[in-house]
Amino acid sequence: DAMVIQNPRYQVTQFGKPVTLSCSQTLNHNVMYWYQQKSSQAPKLLFHYYDKDFNNEADTPDNFQSRRPNTSFCFLDIRSPGLGDAAMYLCATSPGHGNQPQHFGDGTRLSIL
Amino acid sequence: AQRVTQPEKLLSVFKGAPVELKCNYSYSGSPELFWYVQYSRQRLQLLLRHISRESIKGFTADLNKGETSFHLKKPFAQEEDSAMYYCALSPMNSGYSTLTFGKGTMLLVSP
Repeated sequence: DAMVIQNPRYQVTQFGKPVTLSCSQTLNHNVMYWYQQKSSQAPKLLFHYYDKDFNNEADTPDNFQSRRPNTSFCFLDIRSPGLGDAAMYLCATSPGHGNQPQHFGDGTRLSIL
Repeated sequence: AQRVTQPEKLLSVFKGAPVELKCNYSYSGSPELFWYVQYSRQRLQLLLRHISRESIKGFTADLNKGETSFHLKKPFAQEEDSAMYYCALSPMNSGYSTLTFGKGTMLLVSP
């Protein structure tokens, strides 16, 4: 079944210790997105890739970076996680044309100790 | 900048009652509006989009540009409708969707 897969489902890291979240897709979509969702808040777009072109949202902290080595995979790197970065991180994909809806993964819940 | 407002955090109704989940937006251009739903322990998924003008699981939503609203309605709620509902906006001419979400409304349907 074609889908968006996020690993791991739960991630615990220490304050200041770099962490990487991963997302893969079997939909062959051009666009991959990363959202941050804190408790009781809306999912907030951090950045997205259209193919290899990276698009950063203006208010995304420098602490957050992303890599897309190929069509199928996209990574979210948090260089020095702070307590405020504890959240659910959602990956999504879309075809990249016709304003088609986005397909979401299950998310990774990040906790900071 | 675009903004999506869902004024109700929680909406609790009895089975068979009508449901209306409110969504208002602000955007200077032409928007495309979506409703996404997240059932318990499931991923966020598309419920409907205004451009399709279809009814999904008995839900409908009409874009009212005069009132800048995109309220989600269902005439008779079912228990399986209990979920978190998010309204989202994407600029129409962006080529691909870049979503701005509202904070969501939790719908609880009691027997």
